[in-house]
Amino acid sequence: DAGVTQSPTHLIKTRGQQVTLRCSPKSGHDTVSWYQQALGQGPQFIFQYYEEEERQRGNFPDRFSGHQFPNYSSELNVNALLLGDSALYLCASSLKLRSSYNEQFFGPGTRLTVL
Amino acid sequence: QQQVKQSPQSLIVQKGGISIINCAYENTAFDYFPWYQQFPGKGPALLIAIRPDVSEKKEGRFTISFNKSAKQFSLHIMDSQPGDSATYFCAASRQGAQKLVFGQGTRLTINP
Repeated sequence: DAGVTQSPTHLIKTRGQQVTLRCSPKSGHDTVSWYQQALGQGPQFIFQYYEEEERQRGNFPDRFSGHQFPNYSSELNVNALLLGDSALYLCASSLKLRSSYNEQFFGPGTRLTVL
Repeated sequence: QQQVKQSPQSLIVQKGGISIINCAYENTAFDYFPWYQQFPGKGPALLIAIRPDVSEKKEGRFTISFNKSAKQFSLHIMDSQPGDSATYFCAASRQGAQKLVFGQGTRLTINP
């Protein structure tokens, strides 16, 4: 049973470019959340997708957008890249149950470097 | 507004000793408190989690102590081993909310 997978592993872009990161959730999971982890910091919540819709959003600008596909996989898009967008981008999957504490399982992340 | 404060930033413990990491939260709506372990180049892995209806939870060498009135919780690693050397993050969320709020992390080094 594969866990959460992310691609690519590493990515180098220049300022102003656009980037797309991809995530496949753990088998049986239906919810995907994206986090940004700057070097030496804890992960920061970007947004969460469930039933192909954005359900929650953290304090990130509209340059950050996403999508969830019918097979529950997800993409994170970042437009007009800034140097400060350099970080490890983590995808976490979970099963959305109404009356449960939803354990989130993280992927290995995509290391984005903006030059 | 930082909602989960974690200390210390770094910690060095001798093999066989007890490692203790502390967290404090502000939002009283939080009702789920997980701890994650992260090795370099890897994503965070869920270690242990607690809900506020209990004051302590133990899994193997790892124990979470929870103090609801003080809005604090801590991770204790007993008989610390070199393989425990990693960065540890506390987090908090509300039931069903899915969004995790993380602490800043503690870099733990276990000396052999």
